[in-house]
Amino acid sequence: DAKTTQPTSMDCAEGRAANLPCNHSTISGNEYVYWYRQIHSQGPQYIIHGLKNNETNEMASLIITEDRKSSTLILPHATLRDTAVYYCIVRASGGQLTFGSGTQLTVLP
Amino acid sequence: EPEVTQTPSHQVTQMGQEVILRCVPISNHLYFYWYRQILGQKVEFLVSFYNNEISEKSEIFDDQFSVERPDGSNFTLKIRSTKLEDSAMYFCASSRQGGQPQHFGDGTRLSIL
Repeated sequence: DAKTTQPTSMDCAEGRAANLPCNHSTISGNEYVYWYRQIHSQGPQYIIHGLKNNETNEMASLIITEDRKSSTLILPHATLRDTAVYYCIVRASGGQLTFGSGTQLTVLP
Repeated sequence: EPEVTQTPSHQVTQMGQEVILRCVPISNHLYFYWYRQILGQKVEFLVSFYNNEISEKSEIFDDQFSVERPDGSNFTLKIRSTKLEDSAMYFCASSRQGGQPQHFGDGTRLSIL
């Protein structure tokens, strides 16, 4: 699976959009981009995934660049409960998830 | 919304003892996984299970580990003779199909004394 690069930490003001970037320059054509988050020591929570089109669900939006070498997770109106470690993971259609260190997002009041 | 449930939430065991961690995956899911996270470290894949067989396992998943789906609802991870370094959070996950998102439980904290 392709390696991903994320900033170690980010802050965001409550109510504002949180934009979390991820680089995956070695992504293959059959690999999806997945986003998970982990709040404190709870289990990772699935957020969203995509192949090449932008995706939106009730939690977030995923913007994937045309060359697929990077993506951005957008939380449109961040709340204090969105404070978590966010993981960008690239993988082919099945198999294990390989977690990196992720981005610690802190939403500030 | 259906969820993966894990029991117990915290297990304390003496080194050398056997431990069984239990998981109830989401009911219509066919693929099952175990991951672990040592305190302060990354989440690590242990094993995946489909159609009553291990489909993939990591180097961590050695002969001390085994998995089983004893009935139609439970999925268990057994550690035969625990070591101090087995202390970690153990997460179970399931997915409907192999390529679909994995949904995680809240984990079992295993403490080996």
